[in-house]
Amino acid sequence: DTAVSQTPKYLVTQMGNDKSIKCEQNLGHDTMYWYKQDSKKFLKIMFSYNNKELIINETVPNRFSPKSPDKAHLNLHINSLELGDSAVYFCASSQAARAGELFFGEGSRLTVL
Amino acid sequence: AQRVTQPEKLLSVFKGAPVELKCNYSYSGSPELFWYVQYSRQRLQLLLRHISRESIKGFTADLNKGETSFHLKKPFAQEEDSAMYYCALSGQGGSYIPTFGRGTSLIVHP
Repeated sequence: DTAVSQTPKYLVTQMGNDKSIKCEQNLGHDTMYWYKQDSKKFLKIMFSYNNKELIINETVPNRFSPKSPDKAHLNLHINSLELGDSAVYFCASSQAARAGELFFGEGSRLTVL
Repeated sequence: AQRVTQPEKLLSVFKGAPVELKCNYSYSGSPELFWYVQYSRQRLQLLLRHISRESIKGFTADLNKGETSFHLKKPFAQEEDSAMYYCALSGQGGSYIPTFGRGTSLIVHP
């Protein structure tokens, strides 16, 4: 019973393509997140989605768009992929917006060629 | 703005030696601090949080508001402690989204 699951785990694609990463949590949490881990292992918040309220990190290019069909899912769609988008993308959830503890997925490693 | 600084990218020790992973933060309000750990080929998971004031796997961390620090300590390192450690801060109001430090890779040699 995986609490936070992401698909795919690995994704290799060409520059200019559009791709999506899916995330689902079965913990009944209200808040979900996308983090980007770069090649230096730095974890940076991209988006947070809490009860239909989307909070965006302003440094994220608008080629990245989160989509949340319901509170158990937060997908990440990326348009016109660039080399610099290569990273590991982590989905996470928390019980509520200020619950503190995050539960992470295993990560999705995106490689853009 | 909230900020978390982990000055060491890599910390290498021998088994049985004491370990201290440094974390300093910048936040104007009252923060909540966490340590997360990522073992090889595993997902990030919470190690401990300052409000629980407990010891997990022999690790402790004390919030020092005067020095704005939340260093992670263990008196005797074990090989299985080798992992990536992230310090994180969660603020109040709109800044509740946890901010992570750059992470410190701990390697414990036999």
